[in-house]
Amino acid sequence: QQQVKQSPQSLIVQKGGISIINCAYENTAFDYFPWYQQFPGKGPALLIAIRPDVSEKKEGRFTISFNKSAKQFSLHIMDSQPGDSATYFCAASEIGNYQLIWGAGTKLIIKP
Amino acid sequence: NAGVTQTPKFRILKIGQSMTLQCTQDMNHNYMYWYRQDPGMGLKLIYYSVGAGITDKGEVPNGYNVSRSTTEDFPLRLELAAPSQTSVYFCASSYQNANTGELFFGEGSRLTVL
Repeated sequence: QQQVKQSPQSLIVQKGGISIINCAYENTAFDYFPWYQQFPGKGPALLIAIRPDVSEKKEGRFTISFNKSAKQFSLHIMDSQPGDSATYFCAASEIGNYQLIWGAGTKLIIKP
Repeated sequence: NAGVTQTPKFRILKIGQSMTLQCTQDMNHNYMYWYRQDPGMGLKLIYYSVGAGITDKGEVPNGYNVSRSTTEDFPLRLELAAPSQTSVYFCASSYQNANTGELFFGEGSRLTVL
């Protein structure tokens, strides 16, 4: 019940296309859902986060869509660029909890 | 502004050796974390600390120890290294807990146990 399942494991998208990464969870007590971006040789960095009181959050070309009833959330990258090539992690946590539960990661490659 | 600094970046250990991974942050964050990252497995929490003098186990603490004598430093000790501890280790810090605030990560320490 503590798992966050992320798919796909890897993704290749043409420049200018839309990249979509999906995550699913079981624990209905989760109330914070961040996405982190990691470049090779670097630590993860927060990209965007959402709470269940909204169904969508947009920051520039990055959008989180959240479906509370399906217990799923996804990251959409519009107009994908080669500089977006990285590994993306979804995560989730419960209120007051010190732990983030992480997805397994998606390696995204944007082809020029 | 250094953020979270980890040393060493790379290390090769023989089975049974011990070592300490150093982590320091200059953001005056109360919360600090140690994660390990294995291919296809995401990040697993080893230990965390909510302030100086307070530490607690995460999901995968066996074979590791930590201490938090100051707000800035959170070293991770590996005792009797085993091949299963071959991984990339990340230290992170946050001003608020993981449910509320952004985690800031170091660049990682790649450890190989042979």
